[in-house]
Amino acid sequence: ILNVEQSPQSLHVQEGDSTNFTCSFPSSNFYALHWYRWETAKSPEALFVMTLNGDEKKKGRISATLNTKEGYSYLYIKGSQPEDSATYLCASSPLVFGKGTRLSVIA
Amino acid sequence: GAGVSQSPRYKVAKRGQDVALRCDPISGHVSLFWYQQALGQGPEFLTYFQNEAQLDKSGLPSDRFFAERPEGSVSTLKIQRTQQEDSAVYLCASSFLPGGPLHFGNGTRLTVT
Repeated sequence: ILNVEQSPQSLHVQEGDSTNFTCSFPSSNFYALHWYRWETAKSPEALFVMTLNGDEKKKGRISATLNTKEGYSYLYIKGSQPEDSATYLCASSPLVFGKGTRLSVIA
Repeated sequence: GAGVSQSPRYKVAKRGQDVALRCDPISGHVSLFWYQQALGQGPEFLTYFQNEAQLDKSGLPSDRFFAERPEGSVSTLKIQRTQQEDSAVYLCASSFLPGGPLHFGNGTRLTVT
């Protein structure tokens, strides 16, 4: 079983601030890196699936990068809004999840 | 159906009881995963099916846990002789292809008293 580490564990930002957090994973036997957004009382929702070293994906104000050689991915949120408050999970093949980064955006 | 459906949504079991948790994945999804999520933790992998084949069950915590997907669609996670430490949310997820994005159900919250 791979170990996937996420940092920070939690984060509080002011509305309008940009923020980023990290997912670290073993780079050996890499297959894919997934990011999920998990709001309270809902099920996790897929944000990105990335497979290639150097991949960058973007959805609105949220973007992610991938470095498979050093085993990390960054998730960026530009101009955070209160509705961005959620737990952000990353997962690596064979879909082992990190513990998540809990983001709270204060209006 | 439109999404992954899990039932029951909540289950309270007395210690020692057997429970069965059901997952209806999205029609046509090949891959199906079961995860266990304890309070304050991320989902922890239990087992993985590709169609009806259980390709990985390394995450099942003990031989009291058993999962099946006999026809490659609906899956059942069975826990025998439940213990208090089994209390958790059990999440099911499916994907159209192996390695594709997961679609999660709402989970079954199991409380063992």
